[in-house]
Amino acid sequence: QVQLVQSGAEVKKPGASVKVSCKASGYTFTSYGISWVRQAPGQGLEWMGWISAYNGNTNYAQKLQGRVTMTTDTSTSTAYMELRSLRSDDTAVYYCARVARVGFDYWGQGTLVTVSS
Amino acid sequence: DIVMTQTPLSLSVTPGQPASISCKSSQSLLHSDGKTYLYWYLQKPGQSPQLLIYEVSSRFSGVPDRFSGSGSGTDFTLKISRVEAEDVGVYYCMQGIHLPQTFGQGTKLEIK
Repeated sequence: QVQLVQSGAEVKKPGASVKVSCKASGYTFTSYGISWVRQAPGQGLEWMGWISAYNGNTNYAQKLQGRVTMTTDTSTSTAYMELRSLRSDDTAVYYCARVARVGFDYWGQGTLVTVSS
Repeated sequence: DIVMTQTPLSLSVTPGQPASISCKSSQSLLHSDGKTYLYWYLQKPGQSPQLLIYEVSSRFSGVPDRFSGSGSGTDFTLKISRVEAEDVGVYYCMQGIHLPQTFGQGTKLEIK
């Protein structure tokens, strides 16, 4: 069965960086893209960007350009999202989701990133 | 960016009764390929979002047939024919025609 398992919660200071992993199993990793979506406490869903696991092509939300990098490691079927220069308003649960023809069909369990001094 | 506007923002429904959520987009979601890229997701309390409906009206695998989607262009509706207790959570519409993909604010469904 398809599973996306994310890394554990992180606490970071303002200005630091965080790298969240998303390990895929149960399907051919390179046949699908991965999107990252975040959710601030008590708020809605915000699309952050997308990466093709096939060729590494990316597309990032403009508001995060220059601070976010999405990568994949096809040898371990793992996607990564790195966010730099963290601010307090980056505090959120970060989700990875498989991108299929039908939409975001499988989601990771979420990773809470807390930015606090 | 395409703005997605959902109404109502909250809904309280008696089990067995129907429920309806509206989603309006600031631009048409009809692609030149003939498909309309409108999705519905449900986020149950404490869980990750889950896909319910894709391309306006197609139910994702395993989604009960009490859920249905309709609409075209910029106006869309999610209907639950008979609400059950397990349907509680926040429903989001999302457009997938233009990047950045954008979500509605969410509609919280609770059971009376």
